[in-house]
Amino acid sequence: GAVVSQHPSWVICKSGTSVKIECRSLDFQATTMFWYRQFPKQSLMLMATSNEGSKATYEQGVEKDKFLINHASLTLSTLTVTSAHPEDSSFYICSAILRTGRNGYTFGSGTRLTVV
Amino acid sequence: AQRVTQPEKLLSVFKGAPVELKCNYSYSGSPELFWYVQYSRQRLQLLLRHISRESIKGFTADLNKGETSFHLKKPFAQEEDSAMYYCALITGNQFYFGTGTSLTVIP
Repeated sequence: GAVVSQHPSWVICKSGTSVKIECRSLDFQATTMFWYRQFPKQSLMLMATSNEGSKATYEQGVEKDKFLINHASLTLSTLTVTSAHPEDSSFYICSAILRTGRNGYTFGSGTRLTVV
Repeated sequence: AQRVTQPEKLLSVFKGAPVELKCNYSYSGSPELFWYVQYSRQRLQLLLRHISRESIKGFTADLNKGETSFHLKKPFAQEEDSAMYYCALITGNQFYFGTGTSLTVIP
């Protein structure tokens, strides 16, 4: 079945540095991908919608200059957390829409980011 | 406002016992509801969606518009059902997830 590969699965970085998370659709083209964040004991929250070849659409309260999203190809979307701070420590997960099949959405395996 | 509520963060049942994971939603339109499951160290995956009215791995969920609920049920829990379960509501392209219920099936 269609798979979304997310990398890395976990990362620890120093405060002030930037971290890039990749989300790849392995056997299908994903014109639209979504980025979610989950804080401990809270719901998955949509951060932004990533559209191939155009600017991402950010949800209210999400800083676009801090969370840079690039969707340069039909199989790759990246999320870069710039100048990371400890409060950015979270679980980030991407999702893509499938155009066919009963499962309209497929998820990456997530990235656990810890900023120290 | 919280669109999806899963009141139980933790739920433990004995093997063979019935299990019900609760989900309530808040949405004025026609909801499209899902249950997702995440087994240990695996990715989030779709368990079932209400419009298909299917039964996956013995689980069923009925949409009750009057009670705005979409509870997940299984008559006889198995050890392999131990996992994190998320109820989700979709409006357009946006998901609203509940906070999840961690189910433990005790042997």
